[in-house]
Amino acid sequence: DAGITQSPRHKVTETGTPVTLRCHQTENHRYMYWYRQDPGHGLRLIHYSYGVKDTDKGEVSDGYSVSRSKTEDFLLTLESATSSQTSVYFCAIRGTGTSPLHFGNGTRLTVT
Amino acid sequence: QQPVQSPQAVILREGEDAVINCSSSKALYSVHWYRQKHGEAPVFLMILLKGGEQKGHEKISASFNEKKQQSSLYLTASQLSYSGTYFCGTETDMNRDDKIIFGKGTRLHILP
Repeated sequence: DAGITQSPRHKVTETGTPVTLRCHQTENHRYMYWYRQDPGHGLRLIHYSYGVKDTDKGEVSDGYSVSRSKTEDFLLTLESATSSQTSVYFCAIRGTGTSPLHFGNGTRLTVT
Repeated sequence: QQPVQSPQAVILREGEDAVINCSSSKALYSVHWYRQKHGEAPVFLMILLKGGEQKGHEKISASFNEKKQQSSLYLTASQLSYSGTYFCGTETDMNRDDKIIFGKGTRLHILP
């Protein structure tokens, strides 16, 4: 299995508080992605990174920011969490060329 | 823009065949297929590149029609283990910016 770890696995937070989710990889892959998964919507891309300090927006980036200061870590931050951000968040990594995505085990975030 | 998957859900008996379709309004460079079991992360099945190639993986195969920007996943003689949600992910030809966008998924339930 690809070496990818998400933390925390579960989190409950209150509306208006900041939240940071961490994705850590040991594969030295260039590309890292954050998706959210909600019933009826499938997997939606939030942000992705194509290198250290190189990031770009996905389909649903409003309310989220990311940072990648090291190859192995990709952080997703909700500056002020809202109930609409209650979701399961998946991080994925990908090597160069036509290689597949490898997903982490997900973080279940509940915003009350 | 999200690719469109059809059908949304399908119920089969063990041993029957299924076809899941994925279509895009944009020119595609590649199509990925993943399967997700309940409560787990999506798992890679196969990648198809433009050029119309067909790939196989035991009793699961897929095709990519470049002219129609469509891909189909074929599950032959389905087994109970095939149950889950299937997602197609697409890379567009325009930018090759390594952004992978997923459809909403197709839920497949296999009955014994």
